[in-house]
Amino acid sequence: AQKVTQAQTEISVVEKEDVTLDCVYETRDTTYYLFWYKQPPSGELVFLIRRNSFDEQNEISGRYSWNFQKSTSSFNFTITASQVVDSAVYFCALSLVSGYSTLTFGKGTMLLVSP
Amino acid sequence: EAQVTQNPRYLITVTGKKLTVTCSQNMNHEYMSWYRQDPGLGLRQIYYSMNVEVTDKGDVPEGYKVSRKEKRNFPLILESPSPNQTSLYFCASSLTGGGYEQYFGPGTRLTVT
Repeated sequence: AQKVTQAQTEISVVEKEDVTLDCVYETRDTTYYLFWYKQPPSGELVFLIRRNSFDEQNEISGRYSWNFQKSTSSFNFTITASQVVDSAVYFCALSLVSGYSTLTFGKGTMLLVSP
Repeated sequence: EAQVTQNPRYLITVTGKKLTVTCSQNMNHEYMSWYRQDPGLGLRQIYYSMNVEVTDKGDVPEGYKVSRKEKRNFPLILESPSPNQTSLYFCASSLTGGGYEQYFGPGTRLTVT
């Protein structure tokens, strides 16, 4: 069975600091997808990114960037120049391609960005 | 607007009183799923449906039922709710299974007393 670990339960930073959220996953499958979701205080879940296991290129979207390393089974998420609006719980998740695709979530990291 | 809707958004009920949480999507997605979110446990999948003909258990199916009679709807049924089912519930849909991103409804906060 697959597993996603987000070891950081809560992170506090001051606005404009850079912050990295860690995600480590376990699976025996060679083909899978990794995701990040954001859950702001309002409670909805917002999709941020999907990455397949064959694409190890890093991705940047504005202040957000993702570093995927198969060698360490990690898919880390960095926010550059954090803002108060980035305060949220962030979830990393894993989905297999084969068979029925259950989405397995980590327990989430709460990010608090103070002014 | 493409979306997943859930109703009700908030519900307080008593032990044993059957309830249904509705979920509907307007994106013509094949795959739909239910999750519950509990503090310290993250999101856990209850049931999922690959299409109208295929429904299967997730990680925590005990005490829940689902139905997928139409592509757009995927209600979650609690035949005899218990206090340990107090939770925040999310419905989600995606184009198909197999790695497509899932789009989530706004959530239903259920309290069972």
